Amino acid sequence: GQNIDQPTEMTATEGAIVQINCTYQTSGFNGLFWYQQHAGEAPTFLSYNVLDGLEEKGRFSSFLSRSKGYSYLLLKELQMKDSASYLCAVMDSNYQLIWGAGTKLIIKP
Amino acid sequence: KAGVTQTPRYLIKTRGQQVTLSCSPISGHRSVSWYQQTPGQGLQFLFEYFSETQRNKGNFPGRFSGRQFSNSRSEMNVSTLELGDSALYLCASSLDPYSYNEQFFGPGTRLTVL
Repeated sequence: GQNIDQPTEMTATEGAIVQINCTYQTSGFNGLFWYQQHAGEAPTFLSYNVLDGLEEKGRFSSFLSRSKGYSYLLLKELQMKDSASYLCAVMDSNYQLIWGAGTKLIIKP
Repeated sequence: KAGVTQTPRYLIKTRGQQVTLSCSPISGHRSVSWYQQTPGQGLQFLFEYFSETQRNKGNFPGRFSGRQFSNSRSEMNVSTLELGDSALYLCASSLDPYSYNEQFFGPGTRLTVL
């Protein structure tokens, strides 16, 4: 079966750095997405990786290793507004998105 | 450019009833996906429509159905509602299902089944 694993919850301090991991086992691979979802709101797109390596976008970076079935989202200079759930999703060989359960990130002052 | 719209935003139904939810994608987007989200659960994929055809379907019972119209608007229907169907139903649109195209989500319809 297809499976996406990410930690259920993480806590970090304002101003610090946090890394949210995602491991996957899917039927084929056509890219990995990260989305952010604030409580009570719809998910919004953060990043897309299809090649190995690091993609940097401001305070957020996303890394992919296809051989290891592994990705992480790195958030720097954490702000209180970064408190949200972070969803990892993989596009399989049928171009269907397989979603992880999400990681709830709690930022403390 | 207007975003994805979903109607209604909130809905209260009783067991055994049926419900129809509507989704209007971003102009020019031809792919529409539907998801169910419950507390503590990730996004559970229901189905995806592209050019009026169901392209993929998740592991939900036949009580859940959908369709897409020629203008790309989509509806999903749940018949014989059960208490467990209480959830946030999200619709997402993209240009097409292939390669890199991020999905844009609507605000969702929160369904409560009593």
